[in-house]
Amino acid sequence: ETGVTQTPRHLVMGMTNKKSLKCEQHLGHNAMYWYKQSAKKPLELMFVYNFKEQTENNSVPSRFSPECPNSSHLFLHLHTLQPEDSALYLCASSPFGQSYEQYFGPGTRLTVT
Amino acid sequence: SQQGEEDPQALSIQEGENATMNCSYKTSINNLQWYRQNSGRGLVHLILIRSNEREKHSGRLRVTLDTSKKSSSLLITASRAADTASYFCATGAWDSNYQLIWGAGTKLIIKP
Repeated sequence: ETGVTQTPRHLVMGMTNKKSLKCEQHLGHNAMYWYKQSAKKPLELMFVYNFKEQTENNSVPSRFSPECPNSSHLFLHLHTLQPEDSALYLCASSPFGQSYEQYFGPGTRLTVT
Repeated sequence: SQQGEEDPQALSIQEGENATMNCSYKTSINNLQWYRQNSGRGLVHLILIRSNEREKHSGRLRVTLDTSKKSSSLLITASRAADTASYFCATGAWDSNYQLIWGAGTKLIIKP
């Protein structure tokens, strides 16, 4: 967990709020990912960035907006979320691409009220 | 769509016993990976086995892969309380744009 950091660790927001999740990796990896983890469901891949370019957007609602200013940083901007968006949001990175081992941050526990 | 499916969904054993978890998948793969997640935390990569490998070891972990049956198993020997966690398999495949496809996980509880 120490190679990938995420802030904040916990976030409570109302449906009209705007907030951002931050992820930073110190591993020199090329690829970064956002995942959503809901209870009793498989991990859902949201976005993939490879060398700062977005390569995957898995039909994620526009209320989630990713940003990758450089290979080490990844943001997830949130606005007008719904209660069903409450989940653990995980950031990960990998050295070469999606099929290689991924290194995860500790996650942000998001609660939408 | 879900590729990996772990079995059982939950497993409770005594400390010192061996724990076996299984993963089945549907399509051809490039590799299969196992991860551990402690409660509410990030996932930790345990082991990666390639499609041309049949068995791999790492410490107390042993992973097997049977591509003819499209299944894998993770064996944890001499379990410890610290092994209590959820375990996930994930498959990577050429025809899925190398996207890792995740199962829903096996929740392992080690009783002291």
